[in-house]
Parts: sequence; C-alpha cells; structure tokens
Amino acid sequence: GQNIDQPTEMTATEGAIVQINCTYQTSGFNGLFWYQQHAGEAPTFLSYNVLDGLEEKGRFSSFLSRSKGYSYLLLKELQMKDSASYLCAVRDPAGNNRKLIWGLGTSLAVNP
Amino acid sequence: DVKVTQSSRYLVKRTGEKVFLECVQDMDHENMFWYRQDPGLGLRLIYFSYDVKMKEKGDIPEGYSVSREKKERFSLILESASTNQTSMYLCASSLNPQGQETQYFGPGTRLLVL
Repeated sequence: GQNIDQPTEMTATEGAIVQINCTYQTSGFNGLFWYQQHAGEAPTFLSYNVLDGLEEKGRFSSFLSRSKGYSYLLLKELQMKDSASYLCAVRDPAGNNRKLIWGLGTSLAVNP
Repeated sequence: DVKVTQSSRYLVKRTGEKVFLECVQDMDHENMFWYRQDPGLGLRLIYFSYDVKMKEKGDIPEGYSVSREKKERFSLILESASTNQTSMYLCASSLNPQGQETQYFGPGTRLLVL
C-alpha cells in the first residue's frame, strides 16, 4: 500500500536547529511537499522536492533521497512562531497525480 | 496570490439536518478537494473534482455528496448530519500537476453537530 510516516511530536529550543523526517512508500514518485499548519488554521505550502538533494528557502530547507524514500525538513534559528504541525505529502501516482497522499503530521513545540 | 474561500468559519447544526459547505477559488484551478481533519487522523480526502460536473470519491465519502456546477465553486453536502461528522472541513484547489504546483487551502470550516 501507499504510506507516509513521520514522527508524531517533537520539541526544540528557540534558536536551535530541528530536523523533521518523513519516509514514504508509494507505487511511483512525482514530487514531495512540506506544509506548515498552525493550530486552528489551514495548511500552507512550505517546500517542494522532486530531485535528490537539498532545497534551501531562508531558514527552512528540505532534503530528498528518492532511492531511500526519505525526506527531511530542516528548520534553523528556531522561533516561537515555528511551533506548528508540519505535514509531509507526496503526489499520488494514481489518478494522474492530482491527489496528494498525506502524512499525519509532526507537531513541533518550540520552547523558550 | 491564490485565494480559496469557504462560506463559514464556524457552523453548529443539529443531527439530521442537511448541511451545505461552499468553497470558491479565484485562480481558475481545475482541481478542487474536500478534506476533513481530526486529531490523530490527519487530513482525509472526502471527494475531489477535476472538472465541472466531474467528481471522484476520496477515502471517506460515506455520508457526503458534492456538487461542482461551476469551475470556481465546489460544494460539500452532508445529507443528514450526524455527530461523528463533527470536524474541521478544509477545501483546497490546484492546477493540474506540473512542477511544484500544489494544493492551496481555504481557511476551514469547524462544524459541530449536536
């Protein structure tokens, strides 16, 4: 079956670096997304990876290894406002990639 | 910027009522989606539509129906609301997949069924 795994919860300290991992098993691969979701709000797009390697966007970076079915989101210089849930999603090869397969999300708490 | 709007942020309904949730997007997106999100269960796809009048069942379509009469509007209907349909409902839209085209979400509707 198709599946995405990510840790349920993580805790980190303001100013530190945190890495949130995501592993996926799908019948094909056409791109992986990371979203941020603050409590009570909608998910917002953070990053996209389709080729192996690191994509950097300010304090946030995302890495992909297609051979390992693995991605991580790296958050640097953590701020209190980074406390949120981080969702990993991959395009579903079925149905012309229109749908996304979602992980359950990693709830990150940033402490002072 | 893509804008996806939902008709209500909060809604309280009684068991057995018919409930309409509306979603509108202003970016001419082909695809629209309805999800529900519950603690510990993540985002679950109810229905999606890839064109006007076209729809496909998602993972949990039971108890729901949808309507897409115009490209910009996608409605979710709870035929007879039940307490287990109390949830956060999220609408999303997207272009057909190419590059980093992804799904953009509305603000969500928190539905309470009493």
